[in-house]
Amino acid sequence: AQTVTQSQPEMSVQEAETVTLSCTYDTSESDYYLFWYKQPPSRQMILVIRQEAYKQQNATENRFSVNFQKAAKSFSLKISDSQLGDAAMYFCAYRVFTGNQFYFGTGTSLTVIP
Amino acid sequence: GAVVSQHPSWVICKSGTSVKIECRSLDFQATTMFWYRQFPKQSLMLMATSNEGSKATYEQGVEKDKFLINHASLTLSTLTVTSAHPEDSSFYICSARDRAWNEQFFGPGTRLTVL
Repeated sequence: AQTVTQSQPEMSVQEAETVTLSCTYDTSESDYYLFWYKQPPSRQMILVIRQEAYKQQNATENRFSVNFQKAAKSFSLKISDSQLGDAAMYFCAYRVFTGNQFYFGTGTSLTVIP
Repeated sequence: GAVVSQHPSWVICKSGTSVKIECRSLDFQATTMFWYRQFPKQSLMLMATSNEGSKATYEQGVEKDKFLINHASLTLSTLTVTSAHPEDSSFYICSARDRAWNEQFFGPGTRLTVL
């Protein structure tokens, strides 16, 4: 069974600093996607970054980057130069390459301190 | 980018009544749509998967007679909460898959409060 674990229910970071959110997952599949979604107070799910498991290169999107360790089944999100607008709940998610269903972690609430 | 809308964004109803929530893909055809439920400060829980023109597939523990899902067209899926009770109060989110892009896009959610 596929499971996604986020061991940090809450994190805080000083504005302009860097923070890393952790995520581990369990799967027997070899081809899959990993995602980080942001859910601000509006509750709209926003895709932050996506990683294909077959790609060795870590995905980056501006201030957001991931550290994907396939053998360790680890997928952490690094947010650089944190901004007040980054404050939100962050969910790690997994999807089999050819499948439909997302498996979400329990989320990490990020607070950005001015 | 692809947009998924939900209507209404929030609804308050009396216990025992039924409420319908619509999920629409605005600029793409969604062969598959998903309905999630989210309790405060918790993760998204998949309730069901609906494919256009066929019956929805419900996750274990989700009452199909209580949460009726209809996916009548490639751009519209509806979730009807029948005989709503206060414990059905929650945030409901839909997502839609675009086959061409193999991507899923989330709607903004609907907050249901049952009095």
